[in-house]
Amino acid sequence: DQQVKQNSPSLSVQEGRISILNCDYTNSMFDYFLWYKKYPAEGPTFLISISSIKDKNEDGRFTVFLNKSAKHLSLHIVPSQPGDSAVYFCAASAGGTYKYIFGTGTRLKVLA
Amino acid sequence: NAGVTQTPKFRVLKTGQSMTLLCAQDMNHEYMYWYRQDPGMGLRLIHYSVGEGTTAKGEVPDGYNVSRLKKQNFLLGLESAAPSQTSVYFCASSVGSGTQYFGPGTRLLVL
Repeated sequence: DQQVKQNSPSLSVQEGRISILNCDYTNSMFDYFLWYKKYPAEGPTFLISISSIKDKNEDGRFTVFLNKSAKHLSLHIVPSQPGDSAVYFCAASAGGTYKYIFGTGTRLKVLA
Repeated sequence: NAGVTQTPKFRVLKTGQSMTLLCAQDMNHEYMYWYRQDPGMGLRLIHYSVGEGTTAKGEVPDGYNVSRLKKQNFLLGLESAAPSQTSVYFCASSVGSGTQYFGPGTRLLVL
């Protein structure tokens, strides 16, 4: 049973436009969410996080939105740049635990 | 700071062979983790440790053992490798339940 789902395996976006990556979860106990970016042959690197007490968190070009009632979060990248081309994973945890459940990832390709 | 390093980067094993993957971190993090990543799947937690001398099972622990004899090192052992253990293995560390910092990965092929 996949508790964290990223239903879009891939996404292509033109440079300068907005990229929207989606993540759905089923466990209502999840209260902390992370996004990681992963380049080929490298480990995932932390991008941005959000706690369930917020519905939005922004860091430069990256914004994460959380809709608790829909059990949905999204990562917006504006403007998208070719260097953003990578696989993006969302991850969730419950109750301050350190055990994160990861989604399957979305491969973003930003076209120059 | 090197962050999180993993040794080796790539290894080929025959079925039944054993090996140990080494993870080292220089950030003085208490928590360390081993994950595996397979095509079409997210990272799945194998084992983790919340401090020196402690280990615990994650989602997919079968066929693996771990040891945390020193705070900075976390070892993942495969006693008798199977083709199903062909994967990319990532180590991570964190301060408590915060952001996890990942190593570059070890690609393992079991024939």
